[in-house]
Amino acid sequence: EVKMEQSGNEVQSPGTAVKVSCKVSGYNFGDFYMHWVRQAPGKGLEWMGLLDPVDGEKTYAEAFQGRLSLTADTSIDTAYMELSGLKFDDTAVYYCSTQVAGVGVFWGQGTRVVVSP
Amino acid sequence: LVLTQSPSASASLGASVRLTCTLSGGLIDYPVAWHQQQPGRSPQFLLRVNSDGSHIKGDGIPDRFSASSSGAERTLIISGLQAEDECDYYCQTWVSGGRAVFGGGTMLTVL
Repeated sequence: EVKMEQSGNEVQSPGTAVKVSCKVSGYNFGDFYMHWVRQAPGKGLEWMGLLDPVDGEKTYAEAFQGRLSLTADTSIDTAYMELSGLKFDDTAVYYCSTQVAGVGVFWGQGTRVVVSP
Repeated sequence: LVLTQSPSASASLGASVRLTCTLSGGLIDYPVAWHQQQPGRSPQFLLRVNSDGSHIKGDGIPDRFSASSSGAERTLIISGLQAEDECDYYCQTWVSGGRAVFGGGTMLTVL
């Protein structure tokens, strides 16, 4: 069974950074891209970027260039998303997600990040 | 827009509803995944539909969820609507370099 367990909710001040983790199990972590997606309150899903866990190759959405850093530790099957220079409109639920070929798409439970003074 | 969804849809309890996701011109051969999102919950993968209409479903997804495809349209079909089907539905595809793209979502109301 594929599981994706994210770290807990966060409250951060504007201008700081937040780092969210996503520990996976039930599939070979290195075989599939790890995507990060966010959802602002009352809004739709927004793709942020992806990481190849094995070679570390990253692709970021243009909206997050320069502020987003995706990394992974393959020894513990965990991916990380760090967003810096937080603004009030970065308040959202952040999800990790992966597509396992021939099986489907899996999602973490979400991490709520609130940017508050 | 890469993926276009109607913002809202409605159908009666026990009836069927078709939710459509339209791919932009250059992507009409691309597969689309459909996700259901209950209020306050993370999205849940329902199925992935290919350009030929074949589809794979997520684990435990009931038979009343199915899909079809025609040209640039990938359609999620929900039969025997239940009250708990009232929520948001998103389509997703993957473009160059593996980038994911989402439709704007459809809010389904069960009357």
